Amino acid sequence: AQRVTQPEKLLSVFKGAPVELKCNYSYSGSPELFWYVQYSRQRLQLLLRHISRESIKGFTADLNKGETSFHLKKPFAQEEDSAMYYCALASGGGGNKLTFGTGTQLKVEL
Amino acid sequence: DAGVTQSPTHLIKTRGQHVTLRCSPISGHKSVSWYQQVLGQGPQFIFQYYEKEERGRGNFPDRFSARQFPNYSSELNVNALLLGDSALYLCASSLLGRETQYFGPGTRLLVL
Repeated sequence: AQRVTQPEKLLSVFKGAPVELKCNYSYSGSPELFWYVQYSRQRLQLLLRHISRESIKGFTADLNKGETSFHLKKPFAQEEDSAMYYCALASGGGGNKLTFGTGTQLKVEL
Repeated sequence: DAGVTQSPTHLIKTRGQHVTLRCSPISGHKSVSWYQQVLGQGPQFIFQYYEKEERGRGNFPDRFSARQFPNYSSELNVNALLLGDSALYLCASSLLGRETQYFGPGTRLLVL
């Protein structure tokens, strides 16, 4: 069975400090991983998709198959980064079921 | 484009009742998925529909059912409501079912 683990419920950092949100997964097939973000009073939206290898809003994430991890990183946190972040894994087959982690609340303090 | 829309935004029901939640996907998107998000948890997959056919089903009881209409909108039905069904129900659409999913604002259901 596939599983996504986000070990931190809350991560508090100071503005300008580096950020790393942890995500580990368990999946027997070839994983497709995502980071979704939910800002206050907004809908869930895609931040990153590992196959696109983009940097969005300064965030990057590298898939490490050896460590089964997909940690989200940003070198310098901004106040507007405060939000709820979810790591998700897509299963294969004909559909696209997403399995989400429990989320990490990032709080950037001034 | 307004994005994915869901109705109603909030709903209060009592145990044993049934509920119907509605979702309109982004124009041109043919796949709709439903997720349940209980407070403090990540969204949990319930169903995926593509071209009006069920393409995936999560670990939910038969009280949960869904369908997709010719215009690609979708309904999620839950019968014999339990207190534990209280949650935010999210709908997501994607173009053909295997791409990025775009989420709606959700319907918050409270079962008393």
